[in-house]
Amino acid sequence: DAMVIQNPRYQVTQFGKPVTLSCSQTLNHNVMYWYQQKSSQAPKLLFHYYDKDFNNEADTPDNFQSRRPNTSFCFLDIRSPGLGDAAMYLCATSRDQGPETQYFGPGTRLLVL
Amino acid sequence: AQTVTQSQPEMSVQEAETVTLSCTYDTSESDYYLFWYKQPPSRQMILVIRQEAYKQQNATENRFSVNFQKAAKSFSLKISDSQLGDAAMYFCAYRFPSSGGSYIPTFGRGTSLIVHP
Repeated sequence: DAMVIQNPRYQVTQFGKPVTLSCSQTLNHNVMYWYQQKSSQAPKLLFHYYDKDFNNEADTPDNFQSRRPNTSFCFLDIRSPGLGDAAMYLCATSRDQGPETQYFGPGTRLLVL
Repeated sequence: AQTVTQSQPEMSVQEAETVTLSCTYDTSESDYYLFWYKQPPSRQMILVIRQEAYKQQNATENRFSVNFQKAAKSFSLKISDSQLGDAAMYFCAYRFPSSGGSYIPTFGRGTSLIVHP
């Protein structure tokens, strides 16, 4: 089945130790999104790629970066994770930049020790 | 700033009954789209229903329907004949065109729906 896959499902890292979360998709969608979702809060858009075009949200900390080496893969890099970065990270895709339906992965839960 | 408000952190319903989840949004845009997503425990978020702001007719998908009140900026989700599998977190979302042309999604905080057998 075509889908959005996130690995790993759970990630534990140490305070300040760089960590990378990955997302892949078999939908061949042009747009990939990264969200941060903390408990009882709305998913917060961090950034998105339209093809190779990177779009950063204004309030996304510099500590968060992303790479999209090809259509299928997108990575979220947290350079120096703090305790406040512990959250669920959701990857999503959509076919285009319009008001398309988004397809979400199952998320990666990040724990920072 | 565009905001989406879900005022009910938690709702409960008896199996086979009807429940309505509320959502309001704040916008000055005329071109926008509204969505309800369902996130079951430990599973991915999936689309339940969507509504185009330019359409007056309320969207319906099987047991799920919306009450879209554009002037009031209200977009509630009605679930009829509730089933145990409907238990999940429900997110209301709004997408509007940014200056760059992409439709930026904004989510509410979610409503946790509990279904009692």
